[in-house]
Amino acid sequence: AQSVAQPEDQVNVAEGNPLTVKCTYSVSGNPYLFWYVQYPNRGLQFLLKYITGDNLVKGSYGFEAEFNKSQTSFHLKKPSALVSDSALYFCAVRDDYKLSFGAGTTVTVRA
Amino acid sequence: SAVISQKPSRDICQRGTSLTIQCQVDSQVTMMFWYRQQPGQSLTLIATANQGSEATYESGFVIDKFPISRPNLTFSTLTVSNMSPEDSSIYLCSVEDNWAEAFFGQGTRLTVV
Repeated sequence: AQSVAQPEDQVNVAEGNPLTVKCTYSVSGNPYLFWYVQYPNRGLQFLLKYITGDNLVKGSYGFEAEFNKSQTSFHLKKPSALVSDSALYFCAVRDDYKLSFGAGTTVTVRA
Repeated sequence: SAVISQKPSRDICQRGTSLTIQCQVDSQVTMMFWYRQQPGQSLTLIATANQGSEATYESGFVIDKFPISRPNLTFSTLTVSNMSPEDSSIYLCSVEDNWAEAFFGQGTRLTVV
């Protein structure tokens, strides 16, 4: 079965600093990888995905992620974090037609 | 993209009763997904609902406890039956577009007392 792991429960950064949220995956075959964000009291929103092609994927709100096959990682990054980026972030992998989500990482950006 | 309307947004229910959650999508979709999410935690897939066939349930979830209806390509319901406090959770409806991007409803926050 395909799975993803998010090793950090929480990430705290100062506004303006780079933000990284880590994700590693375990798949058989080519992975379909995703990042979703959940703001307080709201549903999940799609940020970006990797299916094939360029290893650096750009998404919504200035986020990007780098697919690294040798390290089986798909870390989410933002060069300069905003207070409004504070939210719960989920990495996910698609297995057939189903999504499997990581445990989630709570990001807090302090002013 | 898809817009999903889910209701109720929240409810407080007595143990032993049942609650039906509705999910309406603004476009026709083949599959609809139902998830459960403990507050601040990850999502667990309950079942996948296809129009015209029985829902497919994940390990640990059964039809008697979580019956699902899928009468057409834009609507589905999930019922949480014979509720206990352990069923207190957020329930989410989801669909995918043709590019494998998932869209989610706002969720139903259920508290069982």
